[in-house]
Amino acid sequence: DSGVTQTPKHLITATGQRVTLRCSPRSGDLSVYWYQQSLDQGLQFLIQYYNGEERAKGNILERFSAQQFPDLHSELNLSSLELGDSALYFCASSVSTGANSYNEQFFGPGTRLTVL
Amino acid sequence: SQQGEEDPQALSIQEGENATMNCSYKTSINNLQWYRQNSGRGLVHLILIRSNEREKHSGRLRVTLDTSKKSSSLLITASRAADTASYFCATISSGSARQLTFGSGTQLTVLP
Repeated sequence: DSGVTQTPKHLITATGQRVTLRCSPRSGDLSVYWYQQSLDQGLQFLIQYYNGEERAKGNILERFSAQQFPDLHSELNLSSLELGDSALYFCASSVSTGANSYNEQFFGPGTRLTVL
Repeated sequence: SQQGEEDPQALSIQEGENATMNCSYKTSINNLQWYRQNSGRGLVHLILIRSNEREKHSGRLRVTLDTSKKSSSLLITASRAADTASYFCATISSGSARQLTFGSGTQLTVLP
């Protein structure tokens, strides 16, 4: 158990809909990362938050957005869903203290999104 | 986009044998990490090697890093059926970004 929790585990929805994925980082971790894993694209970084602020953006579509709340949990919002958005969405957290800190990331169990 | 490739894409060995997986990457890195993923589940961090290190051990795992060739290898010794999983290398660049850039993964099957 990594200490990172994600809900829900599975989500089945229809094209055009909007969903929210939730992540709680490990206790004490300030950084939250979102990744998408699909068969054709592999594991891709989407976005990072550090202590409530957006820190880095990767291959995140404009239809997707995220935020990190004062209690450090994070939500990933996916809207106008398309068939191609079906994937495993992972959240990870790390301590990330200091400018020169490059720590390992601890991954949650993921949310499997199926868009029909 | 993915950092690089892993080789082989799939590897099948007998229990007790050693398994070696290779990873290549494209940019300068701060560190390289290996993760394991059991079928469709979360990623488990295995080991981290920094750019100024050449070799690191953790239990039955040995990781090497050659920054001149931009490559790394993961050796699992005395493999067990429970080692069956996908193995990914992931890099953190030497810039300000902290996100992991993953390789394409190696699917390891250990036969009992």
